Amino acid sequence: AQTVTQSQPEMSVQEAETVTLSCTYDTSENNYYLFWYKQPPSRQMILVIRQEAYKQQNATENRFSVNFQKAAKSFSLKISDSQLGDTAMYFCAFMKHAGRYNQGGKLIFGQGTELSVKP
Amino acid sequence: DAGITQSPRYKITETGRQVTLMCHQTWSHSYMFWYRQDLGHGLRLIYYSAAADITDKGEVPDGYVVSRSKTENFPLTLESATRSQTSVYFCASSVPRDRRYEQYFGPGTRLTVT
Repeated sequence: AQTVTQSQPEMSVQEAETVTLSCTYDTSENNYYLFWYKQPPSRQMILVIRQEAYKQQNATENRFSVNFQKAAKSFSLKISDSQLGDTAMYFCAFMKHAGRYNQGGKLIFGQGTELSVKP
Repeated sequence: DAGITQSPRYKITETGRQVTLMCHQTWSHSYMFWYRQDLGHGLRLIYYSAAADITDKGEVPDGYVVSRSKTENFPLTLESATRSQTSVYFCASSVPRDRRYEQYFGPGTRLTVT
C-alpha cells in the first residue's frame, strides 16, 4: 500500500521570502503522479502543481516549484516570494498510474502542513 | 458554470440517524469520489465511482453507502451515523483520460454527529 508523509504540521514564513514544504512517500510502483493541493481557510481544495514520476524535470508553476527525488521518494514544494494569500493548509498527494485504460485515479493524501505567511 | 456543488454545507445530526450528503457536478465527468477530512489524517477516500451504476470502495468505506444512478449525482449516505463520522466530507470529480489527472473538489460538507 502507498503512504504519504508530511512531517511538518505547521510552518511560517515572512512575506516575500521562500519556504519549502517536505513530503515523502512510499510505494513499489514505478509509474505514478504526485500533487500538491492547497486548502485556504475557505476550505476549497485547489491544485497547485503536479509531477509525473517518469519525468526527471521538476515541475514549476509561477512561484511554485517542486524538488522531485524519485530514488529518495521525496517530493518537496518550494514557494518563492511568499504572499499573504499563500496562507493555507498544503497537502501532498500520490496517485498510482492504473495503466493504459486509466480513467481516473484515487488520491492518497498526506496529513497536511499548515503554512502561515506573516506580513 | 456551477461546477461541483455539495449540499448541505453544514449538518448536525444525532447518533443512529440516517443522513445523506449530496454531490452534483455539471461537467459530465465520469469519475466521482468521496473523501473525508480529519485532523492528522489529511483526506481519505471513502468511495469512488467510474461511471453511472459503477462504484467501488476506497480506504474507509465502513458505515457508508453510495449510489450513482445518474452521471451528475453521487450521494453519500450514512445509514446509522456515529460520532466517529463527524468530519468534513469532500466530493470530487475528474475527466476521463485527462492527462493532468486533476480532481476538482466541491466546497465540502461539515457534518457533526452528536
